[in-house]
This record gives sequence, C-alpha cells and structure tokens, in this order.
Amino acid sequence: GAVVSQHPSWVICKSGTSVKIECRSLDFQATTMFWYRQFPKQSLMLMATSNEGSKATYEQGVEKDKFLINHASLTLSTLTVTSAHPEDSSFYICSARYAGGSNQPQHFGDGTRLSIL
Amino acid sequence: KNQVEQSPQSLIILEGKNCTLQCNYTVSPFSNLRWYKQDTGRGPVSLTIMTFSENTKSNGRYTATLDADTKQSSLHITASQLSDSASYICVVIVTGGFKTIFGAGTRLFVKA
Repeated sequence: GAVVSQHPSWVICKSGTSVKIECRSLDFQATTMFWYRQFPKQSLMLMATSNEGSKATYEQGVEKDKFLINHASLTLSTLTVTSAHPEDSSFYICSARYAGGSNQPQHFGDGTRLSIL
Repeated sequence: KNQVEQSPQSLIILEGKNCTLQCNYTVSPFSNLRWYKQDTGRGPVSLTIMTFSENTKSNGRYTATLDADTKQSSLHITASQLSDSASYICVVIVTGGFKTIFGAGTRLFVKA
C-alpha cells in the first residue's frame, strides 16, 4: 500500500517551455504533499509543502511564480515549472503523507528527471 | 541550527559483509527519525521510523538504533547484497511536523 505515482518520469524540452509534473497518491488520501529538488550526489531539498485546498508554502529562495503548485484534490498535486531554463534541469521528487501529522511517513514518488535544452 | 550529519559520505564493502552508517543530529525539538534508501534515479523508500522513546527498530537485514541523549542514530546492514547499493538518507522530523531535516546521505557500494 501507500503508493505514490509521479508522471512523467523523464522529460526533455526546449528553454522557455512550461512543464507540468503530476504526483498522485494511488491508494490513500494525501492531506499533505511535498515537492523536492535533488541535484546529482546531493540530498533532497524541500521546495514547497502543499495541503489540499490551500496555497502551497514555499521554502526560502524558491520562486512561487516560477514553480506553480496546485493541490486540488486529496490524491493529486501538480508542479508546473514555468518558462523553464537550463538551470532548472534537475530531479524533482514528490512525496505524500496522509492525515496523522508528523508521525506518519512520507511516501515518495519515483521522481521526474527534467532536462532543459 | 537544526542539522543532520551523516557519515561516512561513501562506503565500499564486499558482498556478504556487514556495515554501519552513522547519523548525528542537532534537531530540536525532536519528533522522530527515519532512514530511507534511495536507489539511483528513484525516489526514497522508507526503511525505519523511530520516535524518541525507541532505541532500536529492525526491517529485515536493516537495524536502526537511536540514542536520543547523544542525538545519534545508526543503520546496520547485515549480510550485504549487491542490491543494497544505494544512498541511505537519515531524516529527522521536528516536533509538530513543521520541518523535515534531511541528511546528505551515505552512498553505499556493495561489490561482488
């Protein structure tokens, strides 16, 4: 149980394109979803936390107009990288957590590798 | 400052051998500590979760220990297998769930 599906797993696009990444909790309702970014050989960096029906809370230094997050339902959150540039190339990972607070584990998707040419 | 430090940064061991990974944290107030395994190009997978009152937690060949007094945790892998090659990440949750602090991870390479 507790499967999180992320789509697409890999995307290559031209500079200036906007890219949408989907994160779905397949068998549970995720009250909270998290979006991370990971550079090679580095750990995950939290970008934002979103609760269903509310605006996302962004970490310091993350541009909310650049990385649009929508958490419209208990099973789906999307991250849109707007007007992507090569420096946005990275591995983006989402995670989902169901109700119960911090003692509940985060279940991670398999990530999306974004390459901007 | 809330920090999680892992050591070693990387480790190479022979298949069948045991190894121990370390995690020191300065997070306060502490809620719980988790170890994740991340295969290359995949998302992290939870191995163990421990609250401050738990000293040890096992998951198959993985055994995590926690000393809340010294703020140290370890992950012991027994009889390593080639499939254990991955990054192992120590994660500490601040009470209230408002902050999750990730360690930089230990990259483990198991050789035949």
